[in-house]
Amino acid sequence: EAGVVQSPRYKIIEKKQPVAFWCNPISGHNTLYWYRQNLGQGPELLIRYENEEAVDDSQLPKDRFSAERLKGVDSTLKIQPAELGDSAVYLCASSLEGNTIYFGEGSWLTVV
Amino acid sequence: KQEVTQIPAALSVPEGENLVLNCSFTDSAIYNLQWFRQDPGKGLTSLLLIQSSQREQTSGRLNASLDKSSGRSTLYIAASQPGDSATYLCAVRPSGSQGNLIFGKGTKLSVKP
Repeated sequence: EAGVVQSPRYKIIEKKQPVAFWCNPISGHNTLYWYRQNLGQGPELLIRYENEEAVDDSQLPKDRFSAERLKGVDSTLKIQPAELGDSAVYLCASSLEGNTIYFGEGSWLTVV
Repeated sequence: KQEVTQIPAALSVPEGENLVLNCSFTDSAIYNLQWFRQDPGKGLTSLLLIQSSQREQTSGRLNASLDKSSGRSTLYIAASQPGDSATYLCAVRPSGSQGNLIFGKGTKLSVKP
């Protein structure tokens, strides 16, 4: 069974440019999460979806970040415009009804 | 607000040694606790999940315990190997959070041959 798939794995962009990350969760998992992990820190939740509904986006910086989960499957996280402080690993994860949460390999963003 | 602390931040041991990683959390109202492993440049791999009603879980050389009343969990690794070198992260799912995990900063383990 395929795990959580994320792309791109690595992205280097100049500040003020846009960037988008894509996630395909484990088949059948209704809950999808986007986390951000800064160097030396644990991941922090940005947004959580139950099917196609965003049920917790309280930590998402809505002035520059947006996310969508079309048809309750794949999801896209966008940053526009990117700032230097956005350099981090963006982790997508999925779970079935709140049980074990499975993470993807992450998308590593460097803003220069 | 739930806070998760992991001590020590880094640990270096010789191969073959048994070791314990510690995790503490401030609010005992949790739904479950999960231990993860993260290799450099990689995502998180789930190791063990302990439900709030459980005291421990075992998988191979790994054993995780949970003492909810004292807000503590330990991850015991038996007969450590160089391949165990990684960062180990503890995360709690608070009761009623419906899925959100609160992570510690992790313990970076180095097992020397």
